[in-house]
Amino acid sequence: GENVEQHPSTLSVQEGDSAVIKCTYSDSASNYFPWYKQELGKRPQLIIDIRSNVGEKKDQRIAVTLNKTAKHFSLHITETQPEDSAVYFCAASLLSGTYKYIFGTGTRLKVLA
Amino acid sequence: DAGITQSPRHKVTETGTPVTLRCHQTENHRYMYWYRQDPGHGLRLIHYSYGVKDTDKGEVSDGYSVSRSKTEDFLLTLESATSSQTSVYFCAISESTGGGYEQYFGPGTRLTVT
Repeated sequence: GENVEQHPSTLSVQEGDSAVIKCTYSDSASNYFPWYKQELGKRPQLIIDIRSNVGEKKDQRIAVTLNKTAKHFSLHITETQPEDSAVYFCAASLLSGTYKYIFGTGTRLKVLA
Repeated sequence: DAGITQSPRHKVTETGTPVTLRCHQTENHRYMYWYRQDPGHGLRLIHYSYGVKDTDKGEVSDGYSVSRSKTEDFLLTLESATSSQTSVYFCAISESTGGGYEQYFGPGTRLTVT
């Protein structure tokens, strides 16, 4: 079946450094790629997304890049802060128009002060 | 919070008993979803709905059924709970917004099957 692979599973960075999380998807029909941040005991929160007709999108300190040829997309967080510590999930839509999504297994990001 | 509530928020039940979880939304969203979240597996889709009485299976639908008789309510039923169904269950909604279809999650229900 279709899947999304996410790496790394854990990531530790020093405060102020950058963090990069990478995902690879298998469904060539995927055209929407959201990223979620989940703090301990909370619900996943949408932080940024990208559609297949765009190669890069930025929102302040976070950015997402998409390479449709290689079927991978990445989350970039610059100038990391302790409050960025959380689990991050990538996702990809399945079969354009069905509004179904498949998620990666998550990356636990720790920002060390 | 996209007007999504889930009930109950916590439940402990015994193996073999039926359990129903409720998702309620107040903003008339067309698409609703049930996911389970387990360590090492991320979020896995159980069932989803694309309208009243219109539902479809996800990747882990065995042992679960759903119903949607009203736009605002999406029910998830475990007909006979098993220990493997101990998990955190999240409801979500999605709405097409002129080229986008962002998905937002409810607060979650922690279910323990003993």
